[in-house]
Amino acid sequence: NAGVTQTPKFQVLKTGQSMTLQCAQDMNHEYMSWYRQDPGMGLRLIHYSVGAGITDQGEVPNGYNVSRSTTEDFPLRLLSAAPSQTSVYFCASSEGAGETQYFGPGTRLLVL
Amino acid sequence: DQQVKQNSPSLSVQEGRISILNCDYTNSMFDYFLWYKKYPAEGPTFLISISSIKDKNEDGRFTVFLNKSAKHLSLHIVPSQPGDSAVYFCAASSGTYKYIFGTGTRLKVLA
Repeated sequence: NAGVTQTPKFQVLKTGQSMTLQCAQDMNHEYMSWYRQDPGMGLRLIHYSVGAGITDQGEVPNGYNVSRSTTEDFPLRLLSAAPSQTSVYFCASSEGAGETQYFGPGTRLLVL
Repeated sequence: DQQVKQNSPSLSVQEGRISILNCDYTNSMFDYFLWYKKYPAEGPTFLISISSIKDKNEDGRFTVFLNKSAKHLSLHIVPSQPGDSAVYFCAASSGTYKYIFGTGTRLKVLA
């Protein structure tokens, strides 16, 4: 049981490039989410999904796209990277609303 | 407007003593609260939670207290150990899929 996995661990992008951050969970959790962590800001919710085919925006969704075609996977897409998207990104999953979330190890992204 | 606040960015405590981490919230609809612990270069790990129907929850050395009238919760760690040195986040939910996190408190336990 691997829990929540994220790839890559670290990525450097140039401004304007696109990339996809991968997230997968093997706990059959319905709820998955993406957060970014910035110094002094805590974790802020980007997008979340309550099940396959259902996604919604969080606090800071601009510049990011998500889709959920399977229960296991929830990729986060940066269409045109900007330096303001330099951050550490965490994926999380839980069984349902108000339940404990389990986090992946994070992806550190640097946009030059 | 920050709905969940951790006003102490850092805290230092001697090994064996009590660590008290505080968290305040503004949204009275929050009914489920969690504490997470985070080591550098790792994801947050769940520590302990409490629902609004309780005012205390214990798990070993960790106890969370909830004061709904003051919209305040605290995490007590007794006794504190050097391995407890980490960043602690509190989070709140109103029974929905959205969790609001505080900015974190860095705890340093001195040997």
